[in-house]
Amino acid sequence: SYVLTQPPSVSVAPGQTARITCGGNNIGSKSVHWYQQKPGQAPVLVVYDDRDRPSGIPERFSGSNSGNTATLTISRVEAGDEADYYCQVWDTSNDHVVFGGGTKLTVL
Amino acid sequence: EVQLLDSGGGLVQPGGSLRLSCAASGFTFSSYAMNWVRQAPSKGLEWVSALSAGGGSTYYADYVKGRFTISRDNSKNTLYLQMNSLRAEDTAVYYCAKAGRDSLAAGGTTSGWFDPWGQGTLVTVSS
Repeated sequence: SYVLTQPPSVSVAPGQTARITCGGNNIGSKSVHWYQQKPGQAPVLVVYDDRDRPSGIPERFSGSNSGNTATLTISRVEAGDEADYYCQVWDTSNDHVVFGGGTKLTVL
Repeated sequence: EVQLLDSGGGLVQPGGSLRLSCAASGFTFSSYAMNWVRQAPSKGLEWVSALSAGGGSTYYADYVKGRFTISRDNSKNTLYLQMNSLRAEDTAVYYCAKAGRDSLAAGGTTSGWFDPWGQGTLVTVSS
């Protein structure tokens, strides 16, 4: 089955840029989606289809995907961005959904 | 406004059964695939099951296959998850989630992203 690998944690100072990676075999050939989850809350979609943003999500959130790595980039990080972030793909080999293990973003 | 309301969670003994419900509103329920995703305490997200818009195609993660059954009643705008033979490792918050694009755009598949998610319902399996 398909595996997605994320770093457990990323730390960044306010105003700086955070980059959260999601690794997978030839992930560049798949569509990657990203979710933000704050403590005690349901996940919220922040990027879909590699780089598109749902309405209401700030332009500071962007995505890219190539080769074996997809990346969620958060520019001008704010304290309110502190959360867990998950990447997700659809495994075409078995029509199953796969999530990465999640990355905890800490704003210093 | 699109809303999903999860319910039906609770405390159940190992080997027991529980049925979760997800009441949908604010969109054409019958046009979208639906999913269940769970999250064990302090753990990551784990996909459980998917159901096509018309209800004709179902998909399950290996760790629940044969024990859980996903279904929907499009006349009641409600998604269900029947959970049998529950184990301690099934303890988690269960979220229903709507497919991000309608069935036509998804080519009849359950592929794509999830938006939005329900608020979740806690299932605790313990004696």
